[in-house]
Amino acid sequence: SQQGEEDPQALSIQEGENATMNCSYKTSINNLQWYRQNSGRGLVHLILIRSNEREKHSGRLRVTLDTSKKSSSLLITASRAADTASYFCATADNYGQNFVFGPGTRLSVLP
Amino acid sequence: DAGVTQSPTHLIKTRGQQVTLRCSPKSGHDTVSWYQQALGQGPQFIFQYYEEEERQRGNFPDRFSGHQFPNYSSELNVNALLLGDSALYLCASSLSGRAVYEQYFGPGTRLTVT
Repeated sequence: SQQGEEDPQALSIQEGENATMNCSYKTSINNLQWYRQNSGRGLVHLILIRSNEREKHSGRLRVTLDTSKKSSSLLITASRAADTASYFCATADNYGQNFVFGPGTRLSVLP
Repeated sequence: DAGVTQSPTHLIKTRGQQVTLRCSPKSGHDTVSWYQQALGQGPQFIFQYYEEEERQRGNFPDRFSGHQFPNYSSELNVNALLLGDSALYLCASSLSGRAVYEQYFGPGTRLTVT
């Protein structure tokens, strides 16, 4: 069974707006990672946040992690049409192993 | 620096047949993991290979087997194919011995079972 659960399942926004996706998980983790997937092809690693970190930035991406609530959020600022993709969170257990992916959020950025 | 490569890109098989998928890891990586991704779902972990041995396994039947070669490349074999095995099969490579590591994914092999 999947540990991560992304919310919402689908999100449609206009270009230039911000997009926020959430991920909840069930067990203790070593780290949480966000991936992007275009058109059912390979996953691209976006950002990794460790369990002792609360926030991390990378370009237009901002990730937060709340281990007390077992949740994470991914914010994409100033979205572009090229950001249209599915976004997945994946958790690794306390040994940094056992990657478990959520079902993903399908983001559509309209020009 | 070559990333993770997979072959073939697409494959069509008939129920009951056997299939072999191949993966070459990113240069410098020694660990290979395989995932199955059904349409509209997240990837599901099948197993991981390190030092030519299966190190971890997800909840998949014995029809799914694998192999890792001395050059770290890997194969995924699926026997007695079922319609439900139709999916995108993703290979990911990483470097062992690190407490926190990132996985680099290949483009996947789209398997269709008819």
